[in-house]
Amino acid sequence: DAMVIQNPRYQVTQFGKPVTLSCSQTLNHNVMYWYQQKSSQAPKLLFHYYDKDFNNEADTPDNFQSRRPNTSFCFLDIRSPGLGDAAMYLCATSSPGLAGAREQFFGPGTRLTVL
Amino acid sequence: ELKVEQNPLFLSMQEGKNYTIYCNYSTTSDRLYWYRQDPGKSLESLFVLLSNGAVKQEGRLMASLDTKARLSTLHITAAVHDLSATYFCAVDIYGGATNKLIFGTGTLLAVQP
Repeated sequence: DAMVIQNPRYQVTQFGKPVTLSCSQTLNHNVMYWYQQKSSQAPKLLFHYYDKDFNNEADTPDNFQSRRPNTSFCFLDIRSPGLGDAAMYLCATSSPGLAGAREQFFGPGTRLTVL
Repeated sequence: ELKVEQNPLFLSMQEGKNYTIYCNYSTTSDRLYWYRQDPGKSLESLFVLLSNGAVKQEGRLMASLDTKARLSTLHITAAVHDLSATYFCAVDIYGGATNKLIFGTGTLLAVQP
């Protein structure tokens, strides 16, 4: 089945130790998104890629970066995680070429714990 | 500043009862989505509302969209315990090549037996 996959599902890192979260998709969608969702809050868009074009949200901290080496994969790098970066990170994809909803398809998420 | 507000934020209801969750937003948009989220899980798409007056139903849930009033509703009919979850609305604010979702504050629904 076509899907959005995130690895790992659970990640524990130490304060200040760089960490990378991975997202892959078999949907062949042009657009990939990264959202941050802190406990009891709504998901918040960090950035997205349209093909290789990177679009950063104005309030996304510099500590967060992303890479998209090809259509299928997108990575979220947190250079120096702080305690406030503990959250669920959700990857999503969409395809603007599809008629209708341009619906976003979400992966299962990676829960990040910072010690 | 774009705001997407849901109310109530928390809803405790008994099985068999009806209730409505409201989603108000502050910008022009003709697309709105409803998602369900179980604790510790990702988002599950419930409804995609694409135009003014759109109404969709699935089981005990029915969603509607009034773009002129900038209001969407999620109506629950004869609630059952399995509907307990957090429900988010999300407004699509781009009409162009990519869509950007702004999520509402969420409504935590607890259905009591």
